[in-house]
Amino acid sequence: DAGVIQSPRHEVTEMGQEVTLRCKPISGHDYLFWYRQTMMRGLELLIYFNNNVPIDDSGMPEDRFSAKMPNASFSTLKIQPSEPRDSAVYFCASSRRRGQVRINEQFFGPGTRLTVL
Amino acid sequence: GESVGLHLPTLSVQEGDNSIINCAYSNSASDYFIWYKQESGKGPQFIIDIRSNMDKRQGQRVTVLLNKTVKHLSLQIAATQPGDSAVYFCAENTYYGGATNKLIFGTGTLLAVQP
Repeated sequence: DAGVIQSPRHEVTEMGQEVTLRCKPISGHDYLFWYRQTMMRGLELLIYFNNNVPIDDSGMPEDRFSAKMPNASFSTLKIQPSEPRDSAVYFCASSRRRGQVRINEQFFGPGTRLTVL
Repeated sequence: GESVGLHLPTLSVQEGDNSIINCAYSNSASDYFIWYKQESGKGPQFIIDIRSNMDKRQGQRVTVLLNKTVKHLSLQIAATQPGDSAVYFCAENTYYGGATNKLIFGTGTLLAVQP
């Protein structure tokens, strides 16, 4: 099992540019989460999907952020236009519902370190 | 309120000693809790979880204790090793009857193991 895969691992861009982060969840997992981690705010949930459908996007900071999950094995988080305050490590995580158990552990990817100059 | 820059609490222990990392959670209705370990440059890694119908759960070298009365969670690591050095996060989940797969993470504790 390859675990959650994220790309790129590092991204450096200039303010105003579009940034797209990619995630491949663990095969068979039906939940996918996007988090952002900064020293100022810690680990924050941005959005999560269940069976490719966005369930809760209340953590998305503003309209510049958007996330999609076109199929069970791929998701993107897009920032357009990017700003220096978006600099952070972005994590994708996935989990699998087991029977009637409501929530189980989330498996995190290695993260994408984004720097916006 | 929000912290103006997170200052991680740090626990420094000697190799071989037992470590206890504490976490105060916010919502008395939370009924699922997880401990994660995050090493430098890596994503959080699952350690152990506990549901609110339990007070204690043991894993390999780790024990999680839950005190719902005071909303307190602790992670005990036996015979701490240098490889245990990392930031440890607790996370909680609350059942709202709707969208319920959301984990709320604490600010973390840095565990520094001295050889």
